[in-house]
Formats: sequence, structure tokens, C-alpha cells
Amino acid sequence: AQSVTQPDIHITVSEGASLELRCNYSYGATPYLFWYVQSPGQGLQLLLKYFSGDTLVQGIKGFEAEFKRSQSSFNLRKPSVHWSDAAEYFCAVGAYSGSARQLTFGSGTQLTVLP
Amino acid sequence: GAGVSQTPSNKVTEKGKYVELRCDPISGHTALYWYRQSLGQGPEFLIYFQGTGAADDSGLPNDRFFAVRPEGSVSTLKIQRTERGDSAMYLCASSLSLAASTDTQYFGPGTRLTVL
Repeated sequence: AQSVTQPDIHITVSEGASLELRCNYSYGATPYLFWYVQSPGQGLQLLLKYFSGDTLVQGIKGFEAEFKRSQSSFNLRKPSVHWSDAAEYFCAVGAYSGSARQLTFGSGTQLTVLP
Repeated sequence: GAGVSQTPSNKVTEKGKYVELRCDPISGHTALYWYRQSLGQGPEFLIYFQGTGAADDSGLPNDRFFAVRPEGSVSTLKIQRTERGDSAMYLCASSLSLAASTDTQYFGPGTRLTVL
């Protein structure tokens, strides 16, 4: 069975600082990987996804993520954080086998941005 | 265009009651998913529909939970004899599901269920 670990429950950064959110996955086949962001009262919004090809993936709002197969990681990065980035971030792995189309999510990382 | 919508946004019920949660997917999306998100956790998969049929219901926790999608569009998640442990955010998502390599799930805002 697939699983996702987000080791950091809560991260605090200052506005303008760089950000890296960690994600490690376990999956027996080629993973489909996603990062979603959830703001209070909002649904999950897709930031970026990796299916194949270039291991550095660009997403919305200036985010990027790098797939490293040897480390089973898919860390999310942003060079300069904005106050509006404060939210909860979820990494997910997609299990696509037979009739299965489910996402398995990590427990999330809460991001606080200091002025 | 319109995204995934869910109604109600909040539902408070008493232990033992029956509830229905509704999901309207993005127009044209053939795949529909239900997830449950407990406080402080990531969403957990419940069930996946392809068209009208449940292609994968392996995430439903027990037989008190049931979901339908009779016309291949709107879906209803039904919970019988609710328990306090059912309190959670219930999320719905939809996708085009043309191929696994391009499938992206788009989520609705969720229904917050509270069982007293």
C-alpha cells in the first residue's frame, strides 16, 4: 500500500524568505505525485503535479517541486514567501492501478508567515 | 467555469440520525471521488465513481456509509446511524479521468459534518 510522510507538522518563515516543505512517499510503482494547498474554509487547490519526464516541476503561485526517486522524495519549494502563502500544504501520491484512482495524502504541513 | 460544489457547507446532526451530503462535479467530468478529512489529518479516500458505477469503494469504513451517482453527475454520500466519530470534513473531487497520466482531481470546498 502507498503512503506519504510529511515530517514537519508546522513551519514558520518570515515573509520574503525561502521555503522548503518535505514530502517522502512509499509506492511500489512509478508514482504520480501532487502538492495541494488548503486555506481555511477553502477546498484543496492543486499547486503542481508530477507524472513523468522532467523531475523539476513548476506550479502555480511561484512554487516548484523536485522528484528524487533515489530518496523517494517530492519536496516543495518557493524562493520568496508571501504572506498570502500561509495555509496548510498536503503532499499526495496517486494510486492508478486497475480501477483504482485514489490519492493518498500526507498529514499536512501548516505554514505560518511572519511579517 | 464553475468548480465542484458541495451542499450543505455545514451539517450538525445528532448521534443515530441519517444524513445526506451532496456533490455537484465539474460539468463533463466522468470521475467523482469522496474523501473524509479528520481534524489535523490529510484527506482519506472513501469511494470513486466512473460514470454511474462505484469503481472502487474500498475506503468506505463500514456499511453505514453508502454513496450513489444515479445519472453520472451529482453524487450523494449517505451515512446511516451517525456516530460521533463520523464528525469530519467530507470532500468531493472530480476529474476527466481520460488517462491516469493526465488525471487531476479538483476538489470542492467540503461539507463539515458534526455529530453531537
